[in-house]
Amino acid sequence: EAGVTQFPSHSVIEKGQTVTLRCDPISGHDNLYWYRRVMGKEIKFLLHFVKESKQDESGMPNNRFLAERTGGTYSTLKVQPAELEDSGVYFCASSQDPEAADTQYFGPGTRLTVL
Amino acid sequence: EDKVVQSPLSLVVHEGDTVTLNCSYEVTNFRSLLWYKQEKKAPTFLFMLTSSGIEKKSGRLSSILDKKELFSILNITATQTGDSAVYLCAGSLIQGAQKLVFGQGTRLTINP
Repeated sequence: EAGVTQFPSHSVIEKGQTVTLRCDPISGHDNLYWYRRVMGKEIKFLLHFVKESKQDESGMPNNRFLAERTGGTYSTLKVQPAELEDSGVYFCASSQDPEAADTQYFGPGTRLTVL
Repeated sequence: EDKVVQSPLSLVVHEGDTVTLNCSYEVTNFRSLLWYKQEKKAPTFLFMLTSSGIEKKSGRLSSILDKKELFSILNITATQTGDSAVYLCAGSLIQGAQKLVFGQGTRLTINP
Protein backbone atom coordinates (compact mmCIF):
# COMPACT_ATOMS: atom_id res chain seq x y z
CA GLU A 1 0.00 0.00 0.00
CA ALA A 2 1.41 3.39 -0.99
CA GLY A 3 2.07 5.87 1.76
CA VAL A 4 1.42 9.59 1.77
CA THR A 5 3.15 11.23 -1.18
CA GLN A 6 4.03 14.87 -1.70
CA PHE A 7 5.14 16.84 -4.72
CA PRO A 8 7.52 18.47 -5.29
CA SER A 9 10.18 17.33 -2.86
CA HIS A 10 11.91 20.69 -3.07
CA SER A 11 10.90 24.05 -4.48
CA VAL A 12 13.01 27.19 -4.74
CA ILE A 13 11.18 30.38 -5.67
CA GLU A 14 11.69 34.10 -5.39
CA LYS A 15 9.81 36.32 -3.02
CA GLY A 16 6.52 37.38 -4.55
CA GLN A 17 6.08 34.27 -6.67
CA THR A 18 3.40 31.64 -6.29
CA VAL A 19 3.98 28.01 -5.35
CA THR A 20 1.55 25.10 -5.16
CA LEU A 21 2.31 22.03 -3.10
CA ARG A 22 0.46 18.78 -3.59
CA CYS A 23 -0.33 15.94 -1.21
CA ASP A 24 -1.80 12.54 -2.02
CA PRO A 25 -3.01 10.81 1.16
CA ILE A 26 -3.14 7.09 1.78
CA SER A 27 -6.04 5.63 -0.19
CA GLY A 28 -9.21 5.51 1.89
CA HIS A 29 -8.06 8.10 4.42
CA ASP A 30 -10.72 10.78 4.75
CA ASN A 31 -8.62 12.95 7.04
CA LEU A 32 -5.79 15.02 5.64
CA TYR A 33 -3.58 17.39 7.60
CA TRP A 34 -1.01 19.98 6.63
CA TYR A 35 1.88 20.87 8.95
CA ARG A 36 4.92 23.08 8.57
CA ARG A 37 8.38 23.11 10.12
CA VAL A 38 10.20 26.39 9.97
CA MET A 39 13.96 26.08 10.52
CA GLY A 40 14.83 25.74 14.17
CA LYS A 41 11.25 25.36 15.28
CA GLU A 42 8.92 22.47 15.95
CA ILE A 43 6.45 21.06 13.43
CA LYS A 44 3.24 23.10 13.60
CA PHE A 45 -0.29 22.31 12.52
CA LEU A 46 -1.76 24.31 9.63
CA LEU A 47 -5.12 22.76 8.82
CA HIS A 48 -7.25 19.64 8.68
CA PHE A 49 -9.61 18.35 5.99
CA VAL A 50 -12.31 15.76 6.44
CA LYS A 51 -12.95 14.64 2.90
CA GLU A 52 -13.32 17.89 0.99
CA SER A 53 -14.34 20.03 3.97
CA LYS A 54 -12.01 22.14 6.09
CA GLN A 55 -12.47 20.94 9.66
CA ASP A 56 -9.98 23.31 11.24
CA GLU A 57 -7.75 25.91 9.62
CA SER A 58 -6.71 27.64 12.81
CA GLY A 59 -3.03 27.13 12.08
CA MET A 60 -2.95 28.85 8.71
CA PRO A 61 -0.55 31.80 9.07
CA ASN A 62 -2.40 34.32 6.91
CA ASN A 63 -4.54 34.72 3.81
CA ARG A 64 -1.59 34.19 1.47
CA PHE A 65 -2.08 30.47 2.13
CA LEU A 66 -4.92 28.63 0.40
CA ALA A 67 -5.59 24.93 0.82
CA GLU A 68 -8.02 22.92 -1.24
CA ARG A 69 -9.13 19.33 -1.44
CA THR A 70 -11.56 19.10 -4.30
CA GLY A 71 -13.27 15.73 -4.51
CA GLY A 72 -11.87 14.70 -1.17
CA THR A 73 -8.80 12.99 -2.59
CA TYR A 74 -5.54 14.88 -3.05
CA SER A 75 -4.95 18.30 -1.57
CA THR A 76 -3.06 21.38 -2.69
CA LEU A 77 -1.55 24.16 -0.63
CA LYS A 78 -0.91 27.37 -2.52
CA VAL A 79 1.21 30.22 -1.24
CA GLN A 80 0.63 33.49 -3.06
CA PRO A 81 2.63 35.68 -2.93
CA ALA A 82 5.42 33.87 -1.14
CA GLU A 83 7.46 35.69 1.48
CA LEU A 84 10.89 34.86 2.94
CA GLU A 85 9.37 33.64 6.21
CA ASP A 86 7.37 30.99 4.35
CA SER A 87 10.53 28.94 3.85
CA GLY A 88 10.40 25.62 5.61
CA VAL A 89 9.34 22.02 5.21
CA TYR A 90 5.64 21.43 4.57
CA PHE A 91 4.38 18.04 5.69
CA CYS A 92 1.15 16.36 4.84
CA ALA A 93 -0.38 13.59 6.93
CA SER A 94 -3.46 11.44 6.67
CA SER A 95 -5.50 9.27 8.99
CA GLN A 96 -8.47 7.01 8.64
CA ASP A 97 -10.61 7.88 11.61
CA PRO A 98 -9.40 10.43 14.17
CA GLU A 99 -12.42 9.76 16.37
CA ALA A 100 -10.89 6.35 16.92
CA ALA A 101 -7.57 8.01 17.73
CA ASP A 102 -6.08 6.65 14.56
CA THR A 103 -2.47 7.41 13.86
CA GLN A 104 -1.51 10.15 11.45
CA TYR A 105 0.87 8.95 8.74
CA PHE A 106 3.22 11.51 7.30
CA GLY A 107 4.56 12.19 3.85
CA PRO A 108 8.21 13.03 3.13
CA GLY A 109 7.53 16.76 3.05
CA THR A 110 8.15 19.52 0.53
CA ARG A 111 11.10 21.76 1.30
CA LEU A 112 10.18 25.30 0.25
CA THR A 113 12.92 27.89 -0.08
CA VAL A 114 11.90 31.48 -0.76
CA LEU A 115 14.78 33.71 -1.89
CA GLU B 1 -1.15 27.48 24.73
CA ASP B 2 -0.55 23.78 24.19
CA LYS B 3 3.10 22.85 24.52
CA VAL B 4 5.31 19.76 24.19
CA VAL B 5 8.93 19.87 25.35
CA GLN B 6 11.52 17.22 24.56
CA SER B 7 14.87 16.65 26.18
CA PRO B 8 17.65 16.41 25.46
CA LEU B 9 17.64 18.25 22.15
CA SER B 10 20.67 16.31 21.03
CA LEU B 11 22.34 13.12 22.23
CA VAL B 12 25.43 11.30 21.02
CA VAL B 13 26.18 7.80 22.29
CA HIS B 14 28.14 4.72 21.28
CA GLU B 15 26.63 1.70 19.64
CA GLY B 16 25.31 -0.70 22.26
CA ASP B 17 24.41 1.99 24.78
CA THR B 18 20.90 2.41 26.15
CA VAL B 19 19.22 5.79 25.77
CA THR B 20 16.17 7.43 27.30
CA LEU B 21 14.42 10.29 25.55
CA ASN B 22 12.04 12.52 27.46
CA CYS B 23 8.85 14.28 26.52
CA SER B 24 6.71 16.48 28.76
CA TYR B 25 3.45 18.03 27.70
CA GLU B 26 0.92 20.66 28.61
CA VAL B 27 -1.97 19.95 26.27
CA THR B 28 -5.59 20.78 27.01
CA ASN B 29 -8.10 18.11 25.97
CA PHE B 30 -5.25 15.64 25.77
CA ARG B 31 -6.01 12.26 24.23
CA SER B 32 -2.78 10.48 23.41
CA LEU B 33 0.97 10.83 23.03
CA LEU B 34 2.69 9.77 19.85
CA TRP B 35 6.33 9.07 19.07
CA TYR B 36 7.76 9.32 15.56
CA LYS B 37 11.21 8.62 14.13
CA GLN B 38 12.44 10.92 11.39
CA GLU B 39 15.54 9.85 9.50
CA LYS B 40 15.67 11.78 6.27
CA LYS B 41 12.19 12.53 5.09
CA ALA B 42 8.85 11.34 6.45
CA PRO B 43 8.38 10.97 10.19
CA THR B 44 7.53 7.31 10.70
CA PHE B 45 5.17 6.22 13.44
CA LEU B 46 6.58 4.37 16.45
CA PHE B 47 4.06 4.37 19.28
CA MET B 48 0.73 5.81 20.37
CA LEU B 49 0.18 5.92 24.14
CA THR B 50 -3.26 6.57 25.55
CA SER B 51 -3.26 4.89 28.93
CA SER B 52 -0.99 5.77 31.80
CA GLY B 53 1.51 3.21 33.07
CA ILE B 54 1.18 0.70 30.26
CA GLU B 55 4.46 0.09 28.48
CA LYS B 56 4.46 -0.39 24.75
CA LYS B 57 7.32 -2.34 23.18
CA SER B 58 8.60 -2.89 19.70
CA GLY B 59 11.86 -4.76 19.54
CA ARG B 60 14.52 -2.71 21.29
CA LEU B 61 12.22 0.29 21.64
CA SER B 62 9.76 0.84 24.44
CA SER B 63 7.71 3.74 25.70
CA ILE B 64 5.49 4.62 28.61
CA LEU B 65 3.14 7.45 29.49
CA ASP B 66 2.52 9.11 32.87
CA LYS B 67 -0.69 11.13 32.66
CA LYS B 68 -0.41 12.34 36.23
CA GLU B 69 3.04 13.87 35.78
CA LEU B 70 2.37 14.69 32.12
CA PHE B 71 5.38 13.04 30.54
CA SER B 72 6.49 10.14 28.44
CA ILE B 73 9.80 8.42 27.87
CA LEU B 74 11.15 6.49 24.91
CA ASN B 75 13.80 3.90 25.67
CA ILE B 76 16.10 2.34 23.12
CA THR B 77 18.30 -0.51 24.31
CA ALA B 78 21.40 -1.93 22.60
CA THR B 79 21.46 1.00 20.20
CA GLN B 80 22.60 0.54 16.61
CA THR B 81 23.83 3.08 14.06
CA GLY B 82 20.49 2.69 12.28
CA ASP B 83 18.78 4.22 15.30
CA SER B 84 20.36 7.57 14.46
CA ALA B 85 17.49 9.92 13.71
CA VAL B 86 15.39 12.75 15.08
CA TYR B 87 12.78 11.41 17.49
CA LEU B 88 9.60 13.45 17.65
CA CYS B 89 7.02 13.47 20.39
CA ALA B 90 3.52 14.84 19.80
CA GLY B 91 0.34 15.22 21.82
CA SER B 92 -3.04 14.70 20.22
CA LEU B 93 -6.26 16.35 21.32
CA ILE B 94 -9.67 14.85 21.99
CA GLN B 95 -11.73 17.59 20.48
CA GLY B 96 -11.72 19.48 17.28
CA ALA B 97 -9.29 18.49 14.61
CA GLN B 98 -7.29 16.05 16.68
CA LYS B 99 -4.28 17.98 15.48
CA LEU B 100 -0.86 16.99 16.74
CA VAL B 101 1.20 19.34 18.89
CA PHE B 102 4.89 18.54 18.39
CA GLY B 103 7.98 18.97 20.49
CA GLN B 104 11.23 20.21 19.00
CA GLY B 105 12.59 16.70 18.59
CA THR B 106 15.67 14.94 19.97
CA ARG B 107 18.51 14.37 17.50
CA LEU B 108 20.06 11.03 18.40
CA THR B 109 23.43 10.06 16.94
CA ILE B 110 24.81 6.57 17.44
CA ASN B 111 28.53 6.27 16.82
CA PRO B 112 30.04 2.89 15.92
